[in-house]
Order: sequence, then structure tokens, then C-alpha cells
Amino acid sequence: DQQVKQNSPSLSVQEGRISILNCDYTNSMFDYFLWYKKYPAEGPTFLISISSIKDKNEDGRFTVFLNKSAKHLSLHIVPSQPGDSAVYFCAASEWIGGTSYGKLTFGQGTILTVHP
Amino acid sequence: EAGVTQSPTHLIKTRGQQATLRCSPISGHTSVYWYQQALGLGLQFLLWYDEGEERNRGNFPPRFSGRQFPNYSSELNVNALELEDSALYLCASSQGTVSNQPQHFGDGTRLSIL
Repeated sequence: DQQVKQNSPSLSVQEGRISILNCDYTNSMFDYFLWYKKYPAEGPTFLISISSIKDKNEDGRFTVFLNKSAKHLSLHIVPSQPGDSAVYFCAASEWIGGTSYGKLTFGQGTILTVHP
Repeated sequence: EAGVTQSPTHLIKTRGQQATLRCSPISGHTSVYWYQQALGLGLQFLLWYDEGEERNRGNFPPRFSGRQFPNYSSELNVNALELEDSALYLCASSQGTVSNQPQHFGDGTRLSIL
């Protein structure tokens, strides 16, 4: 039962263009969503997050959009740079009645390649 | 500010042995999380410790256990190792049960079972 899905295993874009990574979820109790970037032989690095009460959060070149009705979120990277080439994971957590379950549920990841 | 640190980087064991993995959280973080990333699988939640107590546990057998010390560092113990336990074990920390705080990850311990 995959509650968080990244349906695109890989994405290739040209330097300077926009990269759009997508993520779908099924659990309606998820209310905090995060994106992580991972380089080989390193742990995931936190990029940006969004609470379920918002539909957009922006941090520099990174913007996350949340569509709760569609249970869909996306990460936009503009402009894309070769250094952005990595595996990107979306993740979600549940908070019920003010209590955290602690765990993050991750998607399978999307390999982003940005060509010079 | 130092990030999450894990040791050892690599650990090689044989079937039936026990493994101990260690994690030091970011200063000021009281929560520590453990995840397993086996080959071909995504990151799977193992355990969550906060203020010295186990708060939640993933769908793993009881031979996966751990603890959190008064300085908030943590150990993950895996008993009776099996070949399928070969994986990257990642530790993360966050500011406890404060809402909407991201988890920050270490670089992991690569556990190989021969």
C-alpha cells in the first residue's frame, strides 16, 4: 500500500529551464509535506515543506504547490542548474488532534538530471 | 551548526550477529528517528524516540530496537541479523513534537550482512 507515489522515476531538463517534480498521495490524514534532495552516498537533505493549510510555499528557486482536493503536490525548480541533479523524494506526515505520529512516509524518488 | 552524525559509516556482520548503530542529533533537537532504505525499496520508518521514550514504531520485527540517551543521542540495535537486514540505515532529528518541523538526516550507516 503505497500512500505516497512519485510516478516519474526520472526527469531530464536543460539548464536554465524549469524542473517540475510531481507527487501524489492517498492518505487524507497527511497534513505536512516535504521535499528532500539526495546525492549518492549522502543522506537526504531537506529542501522545502508545506503545511496543508497552504497551497504554495516558495524559497528561492524552489516552490512547492499543494492541491489537497487532488491529493497532489509538485516541486518547481526555476531556473534549473546542473548542481540540482540528484534524487528527489517527497514525504508526508500525519498530525491528528495535535499529536504527531513522527514518521515520514516517502515516495520512491525521482532522478533529476539537469544538462548544461 | 553540526548536522546529524551517524557511526559507523559502514558495518559488516554475519547472519545471527548483533549490530549497534549510533546517532547524534542536531543540537537542540529532542526527537530522533530511524529509517531503513533497503535495495530497491524506499525509505521505511523504523522508530521514533523523543525525550528518552519510544513514541512510535514502524512495521518491523521486535529484533529491531533502540534507545535514546539523556543527551538525546540514540542507538539502533538489530539482533539475530538476517541477510535481508542489509540496507542503509538513516537517522534523522527534529525539534521534538513541535508541529511542522522538518526532519534532518545524517548520511547513514551502510549495514552489510554476509
